[in-house]
Amino acid sequence: DIQMTQSPASLSASVGETVTITCRASENIYSYLAWYQQKQGKSPQLLVYNAKTLAEGVPSRFSGSGSGTQFSLKINSLQPEDFGSYYCQHHYGTPLTFGAGTKLELK
Amino acid sequence: QVQLQQSGPELVRPGASVKMSCKASGYTFTSYWMHWVKQRPGQGLEWIGMIDPSNSETRLNQKFKDKATLNVDKSSNTAYMQLSSLTSEDSAVYYCARSWDYGRYFDYWGQGTTLTVSS
Repeated sequence: DIQMTQSPASLSASVGETVTITCRASENIYSYLAWYQQKQGKSPQLLVYNAKTLAEGVPSRFSGSGSGTQFSLKINSLQPEDFGSYYCQHHYGTPLTFGAGTKLELK
Repeated sequence: QVQLQQSGPELVRPGASVKMSCKASGYTFTSYWMHWVKQRPGQGLEWIGMIDPSNSETRLNQKFKDKATLNVDKSSNTAYMQLSSLTSEDSAVYYCARSWDYGRYFDYWGQGTTLTVSS
């Protein structure tokens, strides 16, 4: 199984700051990487797929990059609604696996 | 609009089985795979498996091969997941989510079904 290692596990930031979350795959997954946001008590929501393609309706302050084994999600100018948990997920074959998550909290 | 409506919370005894549902609407049910994802309290996301509603082809995470059974009812656009021999480790929120065949990422999710296994 492909292991997804996400960092940091938690992150404190202020509104207006820029943050970056990273995800490393245990083997080459090309660009088959998705990112999700999950707010407390809610279902995850797709942000990015194919490493850098924004899902419909996702604000342009979000951006994804990377290929192979190293990926990142960058959020420019944090907004109050951006706080929550973020997960990466590879979509290169099965089983599909997720990173352990990054909890983004308000400083 | 696309909706995945999941069945309500379940409280079941250890050793029992449970079957939960996910009713799809707003799109062609047979054109997308349906997946099931587990999330234990305060934990991350774990993929259980997926089913192609057009032909019921199923692929399971080997970790869940003796735990989960997936099926669909095309007449009602509903996907089901049965979990057997329940233990406290199965207490979690279970989500259904769809993907298309050429990209196994999840663009729509159900609201989740909370399963509590307790005597």
